Amino acid sequence: EAGVAQSPRYKIIEKRQSVAFWCNPISGHATLYWYQQILGQGPKLLIQFQNNGVVDDSQLPKDRFSAERLKGVDSTLKIQPAKLEDSAVYLCASSLRRPSGERTDTQYFGPGTRLTVL
Amino acid sequence: AQSVTQLGSHVSVSEGALVLLRCNYSSSVPPYLFWYVQYPNQGLQLLLKYTSAATLVKGINGFEAEFKKSETSFHLTKPSAHMSDAAEYFCAVTLGGSQGNLIFGKGTKLSVKP
Repeated sequence: EAGVAQSPRYKIIEKRQSVAFWCNPISGHATLYWYQQILGQGPKLLIQFQNNGVVDDSQLPKDRFSAERLKGVDSTLKIQPAKLEDSAVYLCASSLRRPSGERTDTQYFGPGTRLTVL
Repeated sequence: AQSVTQLGSHVSVSEGALVLLRCNYSSSVPPYLFWYVQYPNQGLQLLLKYTSAATLVKGINGFEAEFKKSETSFHLTKPSAHMSDAAEYFCAVTLGGSQGNLIFGKGTKLSVKP
């Protein structure tokens, strides 16, 4: 079974430029997450999708970040314009079931995209 | 709100020695707890998870963790460290259900000396 795919793996841009990251979750996984991992810290959730709908985007800086999952499969995360503090690894994760029920699903992570903003 | 605290940003052990990585959680309701491992330039891989079944949880690569409600802890252990265990380890908590997003600790980097 193929894992979560992300591209590109590395990206270097200058501040005020725009950038987009792509994620393809594990086949059949309904829930998709984007996390931001700043160097020396644990990942922080940016946005959570259930199929093509947003479940939680409370920590997404909406003035510059946007994300979509139009067909309930692939997802794109965009930053426009980028700031120096956006330098981080952006991780995509997916899980099988709906975020409901007694137990919680395992999240499977992709390799991440390392963004450097100069 | 729930949170996790990982004690020690860097732990160093000798090959063959006991590995102990500490995690304490804060949650107003019974949590679900996870340990993930991250190798350099890779994503996070699940080691083990606690979902309110057995309090002693066994994971991959010989790791295990014990949920202790009285101590609000979920420490990760392995009896004998291997060089291949060198990585960063993250403890995470979630309330599950509709609030299934993970709250991660800051991570503990494990070094293994030959």
